[in-house]
Amino acid sequence: VQLVESGGGLVQPGKSLKLSCSASGFTFSSYGMHWIRQAPGKGLDWVAYISSSSGTVYADAVKGRFTISRDNAKNTLYLQLNSLKSEDTAIYYCARVGGYNYFDYWGQGVMVTVSS
Amino acid sequence: DVVLTQTPPTLSATIGQSVSISCRSSQSLLHSNGNTYLHWLLQRPGQSPQLLIYLVSRLESGVPNRFSGSGSGTDFTLKISGVEAEDLGVYYCVQGTHAPYTFGAGTKLELK
Repeated sequence: VQLVESGGGLVQPGKSLKLSCSASGFTFSSYGMHWIRQAPGKGLDWVAYISSSSGTVYADAVKGRFTISRDNAKNTLYLQLNSLKSEDTAIYYCARVGGYNYFDYWGQGVMVTVSS
Repeated sequence: DVVLTQTPPTLSATIGQSVSISCRSSQSLLHSNGNTYLHWLLQRPGQSPQLLIYLVSRLESGVPNRFSGSGSGTDFTLKISGVEAEDLGVYYCVQGTHAPYTFGAGTKLELK
């Protein structure tokens, strides 16, 4: 199992960014996936979830601004980040859902910095 | 949201010492289906988190059996029986019983 995030970078407040998570080594379409973030020097913060059937759930802090999606043909998970704020600055990890609501595999993370 | 309180925030240990980390929940993590979705992660310095224990006490494949988990309801414990150098890092408990998922603030395990 391998998860590789990409798409991070420096962006101004109010702007947008789209993160990708390329999956391999398992049947991507059969698994739910999460985005989890970690602000510099801080703990872990759950962001969003998408089920294998593309149902979605969001943390209140990002609801209405972020959109999680997936392309099973490309084995890729996405996170569209709109109306970015400085408090969205973090490393963003994608993670696979294990059999009992746990995160069994994580990507290496991608840094998003929101600053003018 | 469910609040998970981890103690201690920092733990200093010598190699071979046994240590415990507590994770207390603001509400019961027993799901109506009978499962308790409380899990433990380790984040080594500069690395992504990795799963150690799921459903309170089940060891993830490949995780050494010096790690063990216990507890029920609102009180949970991770024990390391004989710390090794590779165990250093930050330990997090995480719950998936009640939406949204929430994490404890972490316990940093350091060498004394």
